Amino acid sequence: AQSVSQHNHHVILSEAASLELGCNYSYGGTVNLFWYVQYPGQHLQLLLKYFSGDPLVKGIKGFEAEFIKSKFSFNLRKPSVQWSDTAEYFCAVNALDTNAGKSTFGDGTTLTVKP
Amino acid sequence: EAGVAQSPRYKIIEKRQSVAFWCNPISGHATLYWYQQILGQGPKLLIQFQNNGVVDDSQLPKDRFSAERLKGVDSTLKIQPAKLEDSAVYLCASTSPGLARADTQYFGPGTRLTVL
Repeated sequence: AQSVSQHNHHVILSEAASLELGCNYSYGGTVNLFWYVQYPGQHLQLLLKYFSGDPLVKGIKGFEAEFIKSKFSFNLRKPSVQWSDTAEYFCAVNALDTNAGKSTFGDGTTLTVKP
Repeated sequence: EAGVAQSPRYKIIEKRQSVAFWCNPISGHATLYWYQQILGQGPKLLIQFQNNGVVDDSQLPKDRFSAERLKGVDSTLKIQPAKLEDSAVYLCASTSPGLARADTQYFGPGTRLTVL
């Protein structure tokens, strides 16, 4: 069964700092990858997703993620964070060879951006 | 487009009591998921429905948890009897594609359950 590891449990940054959140998964087959975000008081919602093609994907609010197949990684980046990026971020992987619709989530990274 | 609806939003019960949660997915979404999210952890899949059939319930504690989606639309998740370790947020999500594809899941607001 696949698993997802998010290395940073809590990240604290000042506004305008650069962000990189790590995500590694364990599955040798074909995957689709997602980053979801939960802003304070809101639902979990999609930030970006990778299905195929260009391994660098761009999402909402200036976020991007790069799929590196050889490293089983899908790290999330943003060049300059804002206070409004304070949220919890979850990486998820779907293993297409088994149940393509099933997502396995990491334990999340809480990002706090100080104004 | 209306989002995924869940009720109740909060529930406090004592251990050994029963509780039920309700979810109404986005109209037309064939796939419905129930997740358990314990504080400090990511969502863990309890059960996945495709229309009214169960696709995956491998992590559902079947001795106390049950779920149904009788008409392929809304769904209920029941815990009977509840244990202290069931305290968590129960999330419902839905998506439209069939089993051969993955796509964005749309989440409801969740039900926060506290078992005393």
